[in-house]
Amino acid sequence: EAQVTQNPRYLITVTGKKLTVTCSQNMNHEYMSWYRQDPGLGLRQIYYSMNVEVTDKGDVPEGYKVSRKEKRNFPLILESPSPNQTSLYFCASSLSRQGGNGYTFGSGTRLTVV
Amino acid sequence: AQSVSQHNHHVILSEAASLELGCNYSYGGTVNLFWYVQYPGQHLQLLLKYFSGDPLVKGIKGFEAEFIKSKFSFNLRKPSVQWSDTAEYFCAVIPSGGSYIPTFGRGTSLIVHP
Repeated sequence: EAQVTQNPRYLITVTGKKLTVTCSQNMNHEYMSWYRQDPGLGLRQIYYSMNVEVTDKGDVPEGYKVSRKEKRNFPLILESPSPNQTSLYFCASSLSRQGGNGYTFGSGTRLTVV
Repeated sequence: AQSVSQHNHHVILSEAASLELGCNYSYGGTVNLFWYVQYPGQHLQLLLKYFSGDPLVKGIKGFEAEFIKSKFSFNLRKPSVQWSDTAEYFCAVIPSGGSYIPTFGRGTSLIVHP
């Protein structure tokens, strides 16, 4: 089944403790991206990647890092999480950055930073 | 930078009522347009998309949208809603050049009463 898999689904952590949210897709998509979803603000792009070793900032990159060492994986790293990063995070992939047949989204990771 | 405006933040309808959700964007060039749906507790799923051609596009579950270039609009419609259409709906725009960074609207929450 074609899908984007995110882990974990839920995460509660403390301020300053480094964490990684994993994202993996099995569709051989070139384009992958991370979003955060906050009430009243919709989805905002954090980082995106157009291919292996090619990443770039989205609209809200501060406090986040990403890497794209393999085509299928695109982890999101919070080196020193803060409470304002409490949010619902989605990873998405598509055939191309133009959107192709649309994005395929993961199931989301609800992160709480206390 | 482009922006997307969804005018209706909350919509409440009874079953069988007709639906129209507004989406306007600001961008001077060519765009690809999308509507996504997010059912409670789930990830975003593609409803329909417009890249070029017939400005009236049909998507899944009886939804359709019309691209009106002169009005920079891409409104979503459904002639008769069902209780199962209760969800949040997001309009998204991807410029067909440059950064290709997508912009999502803030979403419209639709509640359909049985």
